[in-house]
Amino acid sequence: GQSLEQPSEVTAVEGAIVQINCTYQTSGFYGLSWYQQHDGGAPTFLSYNGLDGLEETGRFSSFLSRSDSYGYLLLQELQMKDSASYFCASLLNNRLAFGKGNQVVVIP
Amino acid sequence: DAGVIQSPRHEVTEMGQEVTLRCKPISGHNSLFWYRQTMMRGLELLIYFNNNVPIDDSGMPEDRFSAKMPNASFSTLKIQPSEPRDSAVYFCASSLAGLAGGQETQYFGPGTRLLVL
Repeated sequence: GQSLEQPSEVTAVEGAIVQINCTYQTSGFYGLSWYQQHDGGAPTFLSYNGLDGLEETGRFSSFLSRSDSYGYLLLQELQMKDSASYFCASLLNNRLAFGKGNQVVVIP
Repeated sequence: DAGVIQSPRHEVTEMGQEVTLRCKPISGHNSLFWYRQTMMRGLELLIYFNNNVPIDDSGMPEDRFSAKMPNASFSTLKIQPSEPRDSAVYFCASSLAGLAGGQETQYFGPGTRLLVL
């Protein structure tokens, strides 16, 4: 069954901030990765959190709280090109599992 | 580097036919992954190779699916016989080190869009 849970869709205006949440099962957890996938494209790596706390990469930040089995991806200063699906992924019980993804639609 | 290369990019076939998908990983990467993506099930790991050896094939849906990696620069995913429910986008990805630790970035190919009629 599905081990990572993500809400499905969010619409936001250019310049806004969007937070995408991800909860996961705890057994065998090694860390949380985030991938971006544009429509018709391939997933591309955005960030990884192996320890609790915030990782910042330009306009994107990712956070992990292992005690809460929870992480999020923060997209700041949204641009039209950020319209895409965002997946959390984690190594759970030695198998990589992806969430169903969260589609972000950026509007002018 | 050209990145992960997959062929064909699109495949339309009839039920019962054999389908072979091909993948060339990034040179120097020793781990290769095959994924399937559908709207209903999302992105699913089918099989994972490390140093050309299948490590985990528990995601392969059934015996109709098989995968090989004869050398470090080539892998195939075969479906025989194909069925309409196999219609999906099949991605190949490679990484330097594999699943241990989970932090190794996976580089995905452009995918093969398969439609079985």
